[in-house]
Amino acid sequence: AQSVAQPEDQVNVAEGNPLTVKCTYSVSGNPYLFWYVQYPNRGLQFLLKYITGDNLVKGSYGFEAEFNKSQTSFHLKKPSALVSDSALYFCAVRWSGGGADGLTFGKGTHLIIQP
Amino acid sequence: ETGVTQSPTHLIKTRGQQVTLRCSSQSGHNTVSWYQQALGQGPQFIFQYYREEENGRGNFPPRFSGLQFPNYSSELNVNALELDDSALYLCASSLVQGGNEQYFGPGTRLTVT
Repeated sequence: AQSVAQPEDQVNVAEGNPLTVKCTYSVSGNPYLFWYVQYPNRGLQFLLKYITGDNLVKGSYGFEAEFNKSQTSFHLKKPSALVSDSALYFCAVRWSGGGADGLTFGKGTHLIIQP
Repeated sequence: ETGVTQSPTHLIKTRGQQVTLRCSSQSGHNTVSWYQQALGQGPQFIFQYYREEENGRGNFPPRFSGLQFPNYSSELNVNALELDDSALYLCASSLVQGGNEQYFGPGTRLTVT
């Protein structure tokens, strides 16, 4: 079985400071990893993914994530936070071995950027 | 290119009733997945459809069923509604290859009373 852990329910960052939202995963074999963002009363919006290759993945809105196989982590980062980044962030994983494409999500992390 | 759309936006049903939720996939996508997102939780995978057949299923009972049509649109049907079925139901479309990201619709908020 695959699983995702987001250890922080909430992360508070001052505008202009760097931000990190943590994610660790457990999966058999090689993982496909994703980050999504959800704004109030909205669906999930894709930010970035790791499939293979370079461990540092760049995505939308200046976000990036670092894949660390030895620590089974895929932390989301941004060098300089904006107030508009405030939202609910989900990490997700699926097994690369084929079959149904269903994603397993973490419980989410509320990111609050303070002006 | 149109995004994923879902209908209705909101729905209120009584325990024991049946409900049908609808989803139109993003243009060019041939796979649709359904998720249940309870309040304060991450989405949970219900099932996926590819070429009009169920391609995989999460830990949901058979009273959750679905259809995919030739134009790749989809329905989620839930029979014998229970209070715990109250949630946001999300539809996501993608291309069939496993590494492709899924694109989500805005969801249908189902309330069971």
